[in-house]
Amino acid sequence: GAGVSQTPSNKVTEKGKYVELRCDPISGHTALYWYRQSLGQGPEFLIYFQGTGAADDSGLPNDRFFAVRPEGSVSTLKIQRTERGDSAVYLCASSLTTGVGELFFGEGSRLTVL
Amino acid sequence: SQQGEEDPQALSIQEGENATMNCSYKTSINNLQWYRQNSGRGLVHLILIRSNEREKHSGRLRVTLDTSKKSSSLLITASRAADTASYFCATDANRGNKLVFGAGTILRVKS
Repeated sequence: GAGVSQTPSNKVTEKGKYVELRCDPISGHTALYWYRQSLGQGPEFLIYFQGTGAADDSGLPNDRFFAVRPEGSVSTLKIQRTERGDSAVYLCASSLTTGVGELFFGEGSRLTVL
Repeated sequence: SQQGEEDPQALSIQEGENATMNCSYKTSINNLQWYRQNSGRGLVHLILIRSNEREKHSGRLRVTLDTSKKSSSLLITASRAADTASYFCATDANRGNKLVFGAGTILRVKS
């Protein structure tokens, strides 16, 4: 596709459930980022992939959060045992360059944990 | 943690006026970027300024960077109602491999 695609756009789940959020980056972009954005705040870094490997996962808040990018393209953010505090918009972005240049963002996945 | 701090937090102006938003950051950087976000949407890149640049223009946008003061400003000239959005600055804090965003400025342009 032309841009970064994220699915689902909205996800409502119950506390304690498992959730997967998917990101399909722009074709050819080697760098992929996950951010989390709470209401009224700027995006908060979670994890960065260069190719298939997680180059920096220092932003993952705890071990309930995990992300993969097995073939260096599509990425999945996985959240186990969801908590109400996980409610936020999860944004994915990709970039062509290996250095930190312009990021292309998807529309985000809004997660609501009841 | 957030690297940048934008001010003001919110700005309301009339169409045709200029809007100035400021950003301060804490660490050394290679570049600073500005992004725009319409309500409920993803972020869109506006402009990137490198640490060895002092000013950059793109259409109605003018960005300045003062690395000695660790600050940047975004000026939108002749604002339009369609400029209503949140604006974020972001830096590669400590010349790292990720962008760190500020909390943003909410701009409202009244027609």
